[in-house]
Amino acid sequence: EPEVTQTPSHQVTQMGQEVILRCVPISNHLYFYWYRQILGQKVEFLVSFYNNEISEKSEIFDDQFSVERPDGSNFTLKIRSTKLEDSAMYFCASNSDRAYEKLFFGSGTQLSVL
Amino acid sequence: GIQVEQSPPDLILQEGANSTLRCNFSDSVNNLQWFHQNPWGQLINLFYIPSGTKQNGRLSATTVATERYSLLYISSSQTTDSGVYFCAVNTGNQFYFGTGTSLTVIP
Repeated sequence: EPEVTQTPSHQVTQMGQEVILRCVPISNHLYFYWYRQILGQKVEFLVSFYNNEISEKSEIFDDQFSVERPDGSNFTLKIRSTKLEDSAMYFCASNSDRAYEKLFFGSGTQLSVL
Repeated sequence: GIQVEQSPPDLILQEGANSTLRCNFSDSVNNLQWFHQNPWGQLINLFYIPSGTKQNGRLSATTVATERYSLLYISSSQTTDSGVYFCAVNTGNQFYFGTGTSLTVIP
């Protein structure tokens, strides 16, 4: 079965550094998402992306965050200047031709900000 | 935004027991999915169920959209069923996740 792939699986960074998390959504999917999960808490929506632009974003997704689809396969999340509270598991997800269709998640990137 | 509440928050079962997990949501939704987050953190799709009932082996799910709830049934539980179960509802361009039920199945 096709799957969403994320790299790296773990990322450790110093506070104030920039990080880029990478995702390869399922190839025929059109909607892409980033979610995050702070340890022990629920999964929170960050941003959705369709047709090369952001379609919706949450309050968490402030100016420190940006997303990009630099080519036909990759989908990236950039955090410009990381804070301690950015430490979390970041999940990429995608679905097909409607935003309400079945959502497929990658295995996540565990980000630790020191 | 929409509120998604799950109950119970925690559940401990003896292997072989059955259980029912509940998801309540506060507004009309386009769709609903159930996920299992395994001990390694992976989110696994269980059901995509906007309404009605579906079954997959020992698991089944029922969504009553008009009454704004969904139920996940686990029968003959196994230790591999342990983890956190989330429901997620769609209201447009995103899925909102519930608070989760943490399930521990003991041998």
